[in-house]
Amino acid sequence: ETGVTQTPRHLVMGMTNKKSLKCEQHLGHNAMYWYKQSAKKPLELMFVYNFKEQTENNSVPSRFSPECPNSSHLFLHLHTLQPEDSALYLCASSQGGGYTEAFFGQGTRLTVV
Amino acid sequence: DAKTTQPPSMDCAEGRAANLPCNHSTISGNEYVYWYRQIHSQGPQYIIHGLKNNETNEMASLIITEDRKSSTLILPHATLRDTAVYYCIVRVAGGSQGNLIFGKGTKLSVKP
Repeated sequence: ETGVTQTPRHLVMGMTNKKSLKCEQHLGHNAMYWYKQSAKKPLELMFVYNFKEQTENNSVPSRFSPECPNSSHLFLHLHTLQPEDSALYLCASSQGGGYTEAFFGQGTRLTVV
Repeated sequence: DAKTTQPPSMDCAEGRAANLPCNHSTISGNEYVYWYRQIHSQGPQYIIHGLKNNETNEMASLIITEDRKSSTLILPHATLRDTAVYYCIVRVAGGSQGNLIFGKGTKLSVKP
């Protein structure tokens, strides 16, 4: 248990569906992140939020839409995805500043059919 | 952030020390060396970090060469549960600590 909880753990969706991934952290951190890990590829940072504000978007397609209503919750809204978007989506949080580590959730395994 | 180079895979016998090397020859003076690991289908887990002095915690030891161009992560008594992909990451301190550039890492297989 890392203090970062992601739901659901597994998700299968069609290309025309709309779904959302949820991340919640119980660590009092003020920064949250979405990562994508495709098969046989390194983890790729998608979005960074600091104090609920998006501070980084690494050229992620608009079919991925993040939302951070407060410092403890982060969502990733998905719509009209492609099969190549199938991957493990990981959420992380950190305190920010200094040199503390990041804490990752267990991830959501997404399959687009 | 500086690039790191790690061997793609290593084997280690259970109970023996696992020594995982990392080259970071272009590291800057204000960049730290971080190690994370990822057990199959789980999120990465922080292990240890250091600037220039050797560091030790309950999980591992980090040995950084004097010129800081390479480092070694040591798991003193590897167990089967240490089988994972180990990532060496170099970055400056401060800022968003979850903003990490992951390479391919080293896949460590601990064998009975």
